[in-house]
Amino acid sequence: GDSVTQMEGPVTLSEEAFLTINCTYTATGYPSLFWYVQYPGEGLQLLLKATKADDKGSNKGFEATYRKETTSFHLEKGSVQVSDSAVYFCALVKNTGNQFYFGTGTSLTVIP
Amino acid sequence: DADVTQTPRNRITKTGKRIMLECSQTKGHDRMYWYRQDPGLGLRLIYYSFDVKDINKGEISDGYSVSRQAQAKFSLSLESAIPNQTALYFCATSDFRGRSNTGELFFGEGSRLTVL
Repeated sequence: GDSVTQMEGPVTLSEEAFLTINCTYTATGYPSLFWYVQYPGEGLQLLLKATKADDKGSNKGFEATYRKETTSFHLEKGSVQVSDSAVYFCALVKNTGNQFYFGTGTSLTVIP
Repeated sequence: DADVTQTPRNRITKTGKRIMLECSQTKGHDRMYWYRQDPGLGLRLIYYSFDVKDINKGEISDGYSVSRQAQAKFSLSLESAIPNQTALYFCATSDFRGRSNTGELFFGEGSRLTVL
């Protein structure tokens, strides 16, 4: 069945470090891919998305490229800030929109 | 005001009690969802509704029921709460039929339930 696998955390980085959070997926057809972010005490909110192969989603300095050949959607940021401390979820939805599949989440802590 | 509102935000109850979590939305979306979040398990889908007359079970519906009272309201009930239902519950919406369909879920701020 369809699924999303993302790297386990927690991840702790110093401010201005480079961030990569790996995400791979299993799905038939052509899903849309998402990264959601959950700040402490809040619900999830969309960070970025890509709807077809080779698309690059970007927002707030974060980027992820939809790689169909490797079934991956890795999240990257060149220089993290303390305010980026949150839990990050990779997700997919099929084009039918029937159901979203979420990874288990990766907790990121950025220290000054 | 939040577009997706959940009540209560926090609730402590005892084993065997009936609990209802409510969700309302002002986004005009057709689809609504209930998810459960547990540490290390991510989000798991409990129930989803594509419109008022269309209710579907998710992967962990046992022990839960739902009601879609109107397009804007979707409530989750625990008929007889048990301790392993202690979790953070999220309501979410999506707009599948509208012109603004982005395939995106919009989440409420969550309802933390503790069952003693």
